[in-house]
Amino acid sequence: DIQMTQSPSSLSASVGDRVTITCRASQGISNYLAWYQQKPGEVPKGLIFAAATLQSGVPSRFRGSGSETDFTLTISSLQPEDVATYYCQNYYSAPFTFGPGTKVDMK
Amino acid sequence: EVQLLESGGGLVQPGGSLRLSCAASGFTFRHYAMSWVRQAPGKGLEWVSTISGSGDTTYYSDSVKGRFTISRDNSKNTLYLQMHSLRAEDAAMYFCVKKRGTPVTTIDWWGQGTLVTVSS
Repeated sequence: DIQMTQSPSSLSASVGDRVTITCRASQGISNYLAWYQQKPGEVPKGLIFAAATLQSGVPSRFRGSGSETDFTLTISSLQPEDVATYYCQNYYSAPFTFGPGTKVDMK
Repeated sequence: EVQLLESGGGLVQPGGSLRLSCAASGFTFRHYAMSWVRQAPGKGLEWVSTISGSGDTTYYSDSVKGRFTISRDNSKNTLYLQMHSLRAEDAAMYFCVKKRGTPVTTIDWWGQGTLVTVSS
């Protein structure tokens, strides 16, 4: 089974900071990688699929990159509304595991 | 607009059974794979099960295999999750989610969830 890990598990940053979250798959998954954002008390929302394609309506400050085993989610300029937990997910093969999440707070 | 409306959650005793339903609208249901994703209180997201658009192919996490059954009725635009032998660790919010196409595509829509509590 493919295992997904994320780092860091949490971070605090200031408005305008560049934020980078890493996701690693235990084996190659091509670009079958999605990122989701879950704000406190809300349902998760899709941000990025195919490792780098933004879902409709997602601000351009979000950027995804990577392939096979190493992936990155970058927020170019952190905004207060970006406070959330971010999850990556493998959809290359079952089990379609999620990463453990990265909680982003405002400093 | 896509709508996914879950129902069927509630309080059940350990060892009990429950059937969750998800009524879908706003898209051609039979064309899309569907999944269940759960989230225990204060924890992360956990993929549970996926079913193809035709219903011919199903996938399960190891944690529910043999106890849960995913199914769909394309004539009723409804997704189901039959849960048996429920354990305390199955307690969670269960989200019905729509995939962009086949099972090996991303999730593009989430329901609001239905809460399952397992307790005596």
